[in-house]
Amino acid sequence: EVQLVESGGGLVQPGGSLRLSCAASGFTFTSYAMSWVRQAPGKGLEWVSALGGGSPHYAESVKGRFTISRDNSKNTLYLQMNSLRVEDTAVYYCVKTLGGYDSLDYWGQGTLVTVSS
Amino acid sequence: SYELTQPPSVSVSPGQTARITCSGDALPKKYAYWYQQKSGLAPVLVIYEDSNRPSGIPERFSGSSSGTMATLTISGAQFEDEADYYCYSTDINGSPWFGGGTKLTVL
Repeated sequence: EVQLVESGGGLVQPGGSLRLSCAASGFTFTSYAMSWVRQAPGKGLEWVSALGGGSPHYAESVKGRFTISRDNSKNTLYLQMNSLRVEDTAVYYCVKTLGGYDSLDYWGQGTLVTVSS
Repeated sequence: SYELTQPPSVSVSPGQTARITCSGDALPKKYAYWYQQKSGLAPVLVIYEDSNRPSGIPERFSGSSSGTMATLTISGAQFEDEADYYCYSTDINGSPWFGGGTKLTVL
C-alpha cells in the first residue's frame, strides 16, 4: 500500500524558511517522479514543484525561493522553502506520479504551512 | 500563464448523469487528469490520461476529451460523489496547471 507522510509544516514569519519532508513507502521510490502541490485555505489546487531523475521543475510563483530534492536512500522527498510570503500559506501535499513529472497519482494527507507575523 | 476553465458548480439528482467540463487550449495535445476532493481530505485521482480509470474507482466515473475540452462524466451519481472536482493538465511547454475546481452537488 502506497503511503506518503508529510511533516515539517508550521507557523513561520514572512521572510522565514521551512523545510518540508515526505516519507514514502509501499512502492519503488526511485522509479517515480514526485511532486508538491499546495492548497491555500478555501482555495483550489496549485502545482508547486516536481522532481524525477533529471532537472527539477518549479511553478513561476516559487521559482528562486523553493528547492525540491530527494534522498532515494531514505525514500524521502523534501521541499526547502525560503523567503516565505503570506501568500505561501497553504496545505502542502506530497504527490506520487504515474511516472512522468506531470502525471499526479497518489496524494499524502498534507501538512499546513502558515506564514504570518 | 495558462487557464483550464471549469464551471464553478454542477448539480445533479441522485441516479442522474453529471458532466463536468474543462477547457484549455493545449488539451488537443495534452492529457487531462481528474481529481476528486471531499471536504477536509486529500484529492484522489479518478481519471488519468483523458479516459483511464485507476483501480478502485467505480465504473460510473468516465472521462473523454475532444478538441479543447475534456469531460468527466459520472453516470448514475450517488450522494457519496458530492465533492470538488479538479481537472489538471499541462500547457504546451509542459508546465502543469489545475482548473479552478467544480463543486458537485447531489440533491
